[in-house]
Amino acid sequence: DIVMTQSPATLSVSPGEGVTLSCRASQSIDTNLAWYQQKPHQSPRLLIYGASTRATGVPARFSGSGSGTEFALTISSLQSQDFAIYFCQQYGNGLYTFGQGTKVEIK
Amino acid sequence: QVHLQESGPGLLKPSETLSLTCTVSGGSISGLYWSWIRQSPGQGKQWIGYVFYSGETHYYPSLRSRVTISVDSSRNQFSLTLTSVTAADTATYYCARHNQWPPHWFDSWGQGALVTVSS
Repeated sequence: DIVMTQSPATLSVSPGEGVTLSCRASQSIDTNLAWYQQKPHQSPRLLIYGASTRATGVPARFSGSGSGTEFALTISSLQSQDFAIYFCQQYGNGLYTFGQGTKVEIK
Repeated sequence: QVHLQESGPGLLKPSETLSLTCTVSGGSISGLYWSWIRQSPGQGKQWIGYVFYSGETHYYPSLRSRVTISVDSSRNQFSLTLTSVTAADTATYYCARHNQWPPHWFDSWGQGALVTVSS
């Protein structure tokens, strides 16, 4: 299996600040990576696919980058509704695997 | 906007069979891939398998011997069966829709159904 490793596990951030989350793949996945946001008691929401394409309706403050094994999700200026868990997901070798998630909490 | 809703028993005993159904509303099952994904307490999410609207399936290798995913297009539903459950199968189970093409991401998810396996 391709293992996805996210860091850090938790980020404490003040509203208005920018933040970058990391996701690393155990082998190259080209740009077959997506990012999701999940809030408590809600279903996950697709934010980014193909490593850098925003899903429909996702604000421009969310951006994705990377290819191969190193990927990043950047939120340029955190708003109150952005405090949540973010996780990455890859498709490769016919399987789908997920990172453990990064919790972005209010500082 | 499509809506997915999981349903099924929330408590099972070891060795029993887990059965969950995902009802899709606001959109058709036709032409798309549909997956089951689970998350055990304190763990990341694990993909279980998918079904194409035609009935084609693909499962996560370590679960393949116990898993069946099926589709009922007439009811706009798809289902998960997992046999011989143990405590390790305790998790929140999500159904999800793949994006149209390539079907590499999940663009809609259900709220999740907590299934506990305990004697």
